[in-house]
This record gives sequence, C-alpha cells and structure tokens, in this order.
Amino acid sequence: GESVGLHLPTLSVQEGDNSIINCAYSNSASDYFIWYKQESGKGPQFIIDIRSNMDKRQGQRVTVLLNKTVKHLSLQIAATQPGDSAVYFCAENSYGNQFYFGTGTSLTVIP
Amino acid sequence: DTGVSQDPRHKITKRGQNVTFRCDPISEHNRLYWYRQTLGQGPEFLTYFQNEAQLEKSRLLSDRFSAERPKGSFSTLEIQRTEQGDSAMYLCASSPGGDEQFFGPGTRLTVL
Repeated sequence: GESVGLHLPTLSVQEGDNSIINCAYSNSASDYFIWYKQESGKGPQFIIDIRSNMDKRQGQRVTVLLNKTVKHLSLQIAATQPGDSAVYFCAENSYGNQFYFGTGTSLTVIP
Repeated sequence: DTGVSQDPRHKITKRGQNVTFRCDPISEHNRLYWYRQTLGQGPEFLTYFQNEAQLEKSRLLSDRFSAERPKGSFSTLEIQRTEQGDSAMYLCASSPGGDEQFFGPGTRLTVL
C-alpha cells in the first residue's frame, strides 16, 4: 500500500528564517502531490501542488521540490512568519481520487 | 473559512449509538470527499462522490459506515453501532473538478 511519511515530526524556526519541511513517499506511481497547512481546530488548507512531470514549483513565499529518484518531497517557506505556525502535511495521489496523507510536521515559529 | 461547512462541530456519543454528520460543500463543486483524522495523524481517505454518485470507497469504510449525497449537494456520513475506535475528526472536502480540495472545519466525534 501507499506510505507517505515525514522525516521530522516537529520543527522550530526563528521568525524571518527559511523553513524546510521534508516528506518521503513510497509509491513510485504517484503522479501528483499537495502540501497542506492545518491550524488547530481547522481543516487542512491547500498551500501548493506539483505534478510528477515537474521537479520544482514556486508560489508566494513557498517552493515545493520533488525528487522522484529518491521519492522525496520538500516544502520551503521563505521568511517564516508566526502565522506559518501549523502542522504541515504532504499528500500524494496515485489512484483515482484517493489522496494519501503523511503524518505531519508541526512547525513552530519563534518570534 | 473555505465555504465548506460541517455540522455538528462536536459530537459525544455512547458506544453502540448511531451518529450522522452533515457536510455542505461549496455550491458549485461537484466533487465531495470524506476523510477521517485521528490525533497526530494525517487525514485518511474514506469516500468520494462525483455529484450524487459514490465512486470510490476506502477499505477503511466498514459496513457500519454509510455515506450519501442524494441530490449532489450536501452529504451525510452515518456511523452505526459506534465503537471507541471511531473517535476521530471527520473531515469533508469539496472540489470543483480540479485537484484542489477545500476542507471544512470537521466534526469531532468522541465515543464514550
């Protein structure tokens, strides 16, 4: 079955620094990936996505990198702000409309 | 607020009781998803609707679980004979047909 995991369960960064959150996936057939942000008491919020025919995609202050060779995904957040504090999930899609989420990384931004 | 609403936000029930949750997606979205999320874990896919048709179901969805979307708008998720292991956050998401899913705030179920 699919397995999506994160290397680090928690991450603390100083405000203004860059954050990098990593994710490993096991299904080489996965062709679409999404990063979500989840704040306490809320549902996940879409941040950025990437398809398997790309290795990098940039958004506003966020960049997703995909390394299909080692089945690794990362989310980079530039100039991290206190409002970025949340749990971040990567999700993969390899079959139909089923998305598989990783365990999550809790990001804490220290003012 | 994504525009997806769920009701109730919290539900406490005794083991063996039936519970029903409701999801109201964004009105023009034809795709609707249900997920279950336990503490410290990512959401787990349960089922997916395209309009009123239930097209995909996870093996996690035992025969005690049933979901409907009778008119292709709101959806209900019913759990019969609840068990303590059913305690979780139940999330609903909708999509206009692309890949981005808009999640509701979830219904937190506690089974005593």
